[in-house]
Amino acid sequence: DQQVKQNSPSLSVQEGRISILNCDYTNSMFDYFLWYKKYPAEGPTFLISISSIKDKNEDGRFTVFLNKSAKHLSLHIVPSQPGDSAVYFCAARAGTASKLTFGTGTRLQVTL
Amino acid sequence: NAGVTQTPKFQVLKTGQSMTLQCAQDMNHEYMSWYRQDPGMGLRLIHYSVGAGITDQGEVPNGYNVSRSTTEDFPLRLLSAAPSQTSVYFCASSYGSNRNSPLHFGNGTRLTVT
Repeated sequence: DQQVKQNSPSLSVQEGRISILNCDYTNSMFDYFLWYKKYPAEGPTFLISISSIKDKNEDGRFTVFLNKSAKHLSLHIVPSQPGDSAVYFCAARAGTASKLTFGTGTRLQVTL
Repeated sequence: NAGVTQTPKFQVLKTGQSMTLQCAQDMNHEYMSWYRQDPGMGLRLIHYSVGAGITDQGEVPNGYNVSRSTTEDFPLRLLSAAPSQTSVYFCASSYGSNRNSPLHFGNGTRLTVT
């Protein structure tokens, strides 16, 4: 049972435009959410996070939105740059547990 | 600043062989974990540890053993390798007591079992 879902395996966006990556979750105990970025042959790196007490968190070009009633979060990248081309994983954590549950990832390609 | 170090980077095993994937972190992190990444499956948790001497199973623990004798090291043992264990393995760590601390990942070990 996939508790964190990323239904779009891939996304292609032109440079300078907005990239929107989506993530849905089913476990209502999840209260902390993270996005990771992964380049080939490297480990995932932390990008941005949001607690369930917020509905938006911004860090430079990256903004994460959380809709708790819909159990949905999204990552917006504005403006998109070629260096943003990578696989993006959504992850979630419940309560005091340290372990993360990951989605299947979305491959973003930013074209010139 | 080494962070999370995994060795080896690549490994080929024959079915039935055993091996240990090494993981070490120098950030004094309490929490360490092992994930495997497979196409279309994302990252799945194998085992994790919230401190030295404490380990627990994740989502896909069968065929793997772990131990945590020190804060720094968290090796993953494959007891009898099977082709289904062909995957990329990632070790990750964080300050477990600070639950908003993100996981830091190593660069992975690519394992092929023939």
